[in-house]
Amino acid sequence: DGGITQSPKYLFRKEGQNVTLSCEQNLNHDAMYWYRQDPGQGLRLIYYSQIVNDFQKGDIAEGYSVSREKKESFPLTVTSAQKNPTAFYLCASFGETSVNTGELFFGEGSRLTVL
Amino acid sequence: EDQVTQSPEALRLQEGESSSLNCSYTVSGLRGLFWYRQDPGKGPEFLFTLYSAGEEKEKERLKATLTKKESFLHITAPKPEDSATYLCAVCGTSGTYKYIFGTGTRLKVLA
Repeated sequence: DGGITQSPKYLFRKEGQNVTLSCEQNLNHDAMYWYRQDPGQGLRLIYYSQIVNDFQKGDIAEGYSVSREKKESFPLTVTSAQKNPTAFYLCASFGETSVNTGELFFGEGSRLTVL
Repeated sequence: EDQVTQSPEALRLQEGESSSLNCSYTVSGLRGLFWYRQDPGKGPEFLFTLYSAGEEKEKERLKATLTKKESFLHITAPKPEDSATYLCAVCGTSGTYKYIFGTGTRLKVLA
């Protein structure tokens, strides 16, 4: 079945450490996105990529970095420069299988907790 | 700047008590307005896309409508299993496919 896989589902990090969240999709989608969700809040855009080897900053990119070396993969690194990284992180994609509805397909999320 | 505002933040209904959720938006050209359902600890699940004012979409007890400034998600005779957070998002026509989300409405349906 086609979909988006995020890993790990839960992650604990000590202050000052960088961590990388994985996002892999087998939908053959060109566009991929990272969102952050805080308790009781909506989704805020961190980074997005419309095509391989290209990506743009979203509304809250500070303290985060991404790469898009392969169409299937869009990993997110939460750096030590991110002041308040504890949150629920969601990866999404858009492409030819969703052209009719325009919808974003979402993964199941990764919950990062900084100790 | 594209913006989405949802109200109310939270809503408690008795089973069978119909109501509506609001999504107000500003966007420089609307590519689409989207409704999602999100259960706790899960990724959002797609419900509807609306493209132009006057359009309506229905799915079971849910009906989404769109005007030039806002969208409503009407819930008719809700059941406890409809309890979730409902998210609204817009994608504008300027530049890239950038989806902007509102803060959501947390719906609780009591049996």
